Amino acid sequence: GENVEQHPSTLSVQEGDSAVIKCTYSDSASNYFPWYKQELGKGPQLIIDIRSNVGEKKDQRIAVTLNKTAKHFSLHITETQPEDSAVYFCAASKMEYGNKLVFGAGTILRVKS
Amino acid sequence: EPEVTQTPSHQVTQMGQEVILRCVPISNHLYFYWYRQILGQKVEFLVSFYNNEISEKSEIFDDQFSVERPDGSNFTLKIRSTKLEDSAMYFCASNRNTGELFFGEGSRLTVL
Repeated sequence: GENVEQHPSTLSVQEGDSAVIKCTYSDSASNYFPWYKQELGKGPQLIIDIRSNVGEKKDQRIAVTLNKTAKHFSLHITETQPEDSAVYFCAASKMEYGNKLVFGAGTILRVKS
Repeated sequence: EPEVTQTPSHQVTQMGQEVILRCVPISNHLYFYWYRQILGQKVEFLVSFYNNEISEKSEIFDDQFSVERPDGSNFTLKIRSTKLEDSAMYFCASNRNTGELFFGEGSRLTVL
């Protein structure tokens, strides 16, 4: 089955700097790659997603890139703010009959002001 | 904005007891899921449910677990005889078909 690896496990950046989180997946049939943000005591919330027919997607300060050949995708957050501090999870899915997600282990992002 | 709601937010139970976690998915969604997150670990898929039956389940979802959609709105996860290792946050999620999964706030289960 699918396996998703995520790095780094923790990331500290200064406010205003950029943050990059990387994930690799194993199943070449996966075609949907969402990123979720989880704040303490809450459920994961989708922040951005990308499908396999697209190489890059941007939404304000957040962007995701996908390299299907290498089977990896990355989350880029620019101009980080303290409220970006959270746990970020990448996930992969084949989007068949619903959307069972396989999650990475998560990255704790700390933005220092 | 519609949301997935879960109850209880926290349940403490004795080992061997039955537990039912409840979820109300978003009303026009068709697919329903349970995920589990042991403290400090990744979110793990348990089961997906569509058209009143299980469409997929993981190895974690053994005979101690069951799901049910008893009426048009609720989606429940039952753990028949809880074990210490069942202690985790359980998330319900739903979506219309493919695409974004909407997660609830979770139910924390503590098994003593």
